Amino acid sequence: GENVEQHPSTLSVQEGDSAVIKCTYSDSASNYFPWYKQELGKGPQLIIDIRSNVGEKKDQRIAVTLNKTAKHFSLHITETQPEDSAVYFCAASRRGGSYKLIFGSGTRLLVRP
Amino acid sequence: EAQVTQNPRYLITVTGKKLTVTCSQNMNHEYMSWYRQDPGLGLRQIYYSMNVEVTDKGDVPEGYKVSRKEKRNFPLILESPSPNQTSLYFCASSLVGGRGGELFFGEGSRLTVL
Repeated sequence: GENVEQHPSTLSVQEGDSAVIKCTYSDSASNYFPWYKQELGKGPQLIIDIRSNVGEKKDQRIAVTLNKTAKHFSLHITETQPEDSAVYFCAASRRGGSYKLIFGSGTRLLVRP
Repeated sequence: EAQVTQNPRYLITVTGKKLTVTCSQNMNHEYMSWYRQDPGLGLRQIYYSMNVEVTDKGDVPEGYKVSRKEKRNFPLILESPSPNQTSLYFCASSLVGGRGGELFFGEGSRLTVL
C-alpha cells in the first residue's frame, strides 16, 4: 500500500546550523507534498508544501526539494533557531478523489542554544 | 478567529464506556478528517468526510464511528472503547479536500482507556 518513510526520527543541531529531514514515498501518482510542524501540546501546522510540477520551493529559512524520479523529498531549515524545535511531519497525497494524505512517522528536531 | 475546536482535550475512561469527541470548525470547510497520533507511527487517518452526509473510512477505522449531519461538526464516536484506542486524536479540516489544500488541525484530544 501507500507508504511514506521519514528519517531521521530525531535530530539535534546547534543553533545557527542547518537541519535536513528526508522522506520517501511509494505511490508514484502522488503529486502534493506538504510539511507540517507540531509544537508541544498543539496540532500540526502547515509550514510549506510543494507540488509535483516543481522541483524546489523556498520560504525564508525553509526550503523543500522534490526528486520525482527517486520518489523522495526533503525539508531544509537554515540558520536554525530554538523556536524551530518541534516535531516535523512530511506527507504525500494524490490530488482529486478522496484526498488521502499519508503522513511520515515524524522527526523530533531539537535546536540547542 | 478561524479554528478547529475539539472537546474534550483530555479524557480518561474505562473499557466499554461509550464516548464522543466533538469537533467543530468555523471556516465553512467541506472536508473534515480524524487522525490518531501514536509514537513512531505518525498521523494515521481514521475517518474522513468530503461533505455533509458523506463519510468514508481511512486507514484505521476499526472501533470508531463518525457522522456529518452539519457542515461544521464532525464528531468521533467510540462505541466500546478498548485500551488500544489510547491515543492522541486530531480533527482537521480543509477547504476542498480533493485539491491538496492545507489541513487545519485542532489542538488534539488525549484519550486514555483503562
